[in-house]
Amino acid sequence: GAVVSQHPSWVICKSGTSVKIECRSLDFQATTMFWYRQFPKQSLMLMATSNEGSKATYEQGVEKDKFLINHASLTLSTLTVTSAHPEDSSFYICSAREAGGGKNIQYFGAGTRLSVL
Amino acid sequence: RKEVEQDPGPFNVPEGATVAFNCTYSNSASQSFFWYRQDCRKEPKLLMSVYSSGNEDGRFTAQLNRASQYISLLIRDSKLSDSATYLCVVNIRPGNTPLVFGKGTRLSVIA
Repeated sequence: GAVVSQHPSWVICKSGTSVKIECRSLDFQATTMFWYRQFPKQSLMLMATSNEGSKATYEQGVEKDKFLINHASLTLSTLTVTSAHPEDSSFYICSAREAGGGKNIQYFGAGTRLSVL
Repeated sequence: RKEVEQDPGPFNVPEGATVAFNCTYSNSASQSFFWYRQDCRKEPKLLMSVYSSGNEDGRFTAQLNRASQYISLLIRDSKLSDSATYLCVVNIRPGNTPLVFGKGTRLSVIA
């Protein structure tokens, strides 16, 4: 299957700092990528849809000024958690859809575990 | 009604057992259906797509019932390594929209 690379895999930071997470599709182009968050023992929650060359679409309740998304190229989307606080500690996962040929499969990055002290 | 519903489990089964999960979806116009597997503290990984005619991949069989709006996953001859959370995933709306994930069904295969 297609490969999605997510970096870093683990971040520990102080409260108030900003954290940038990168998501890359390695062997295909992704005009759309998705950002999810998952708290322990909870389901995946979609945060936003990242569109190449345009603004991201945020889900209800997700602050766009808090979670900045940039999708500058067909293979890279970034999520920046600004002024992180302990309640932002979570597992952040990106995914990209391999489009074309009737496919509609989303492949996931390995996730970023964020711990804010 | 939630868009995608699953029994959260846990299902605790002995090695070698056959286990089945069901999932219901609310939108009759849903386009595509998948089962993903998620191990603890890991990302979801595609297990298999679900086709209208039903499909099989080794010990795993997926079925789709559009009339009743549910999909199922059958695991035969369970292995310890099958222990994971199984996510029912549906493309609810056409176009380039995100997939909708169920909350998952936890399976523990016991020796």
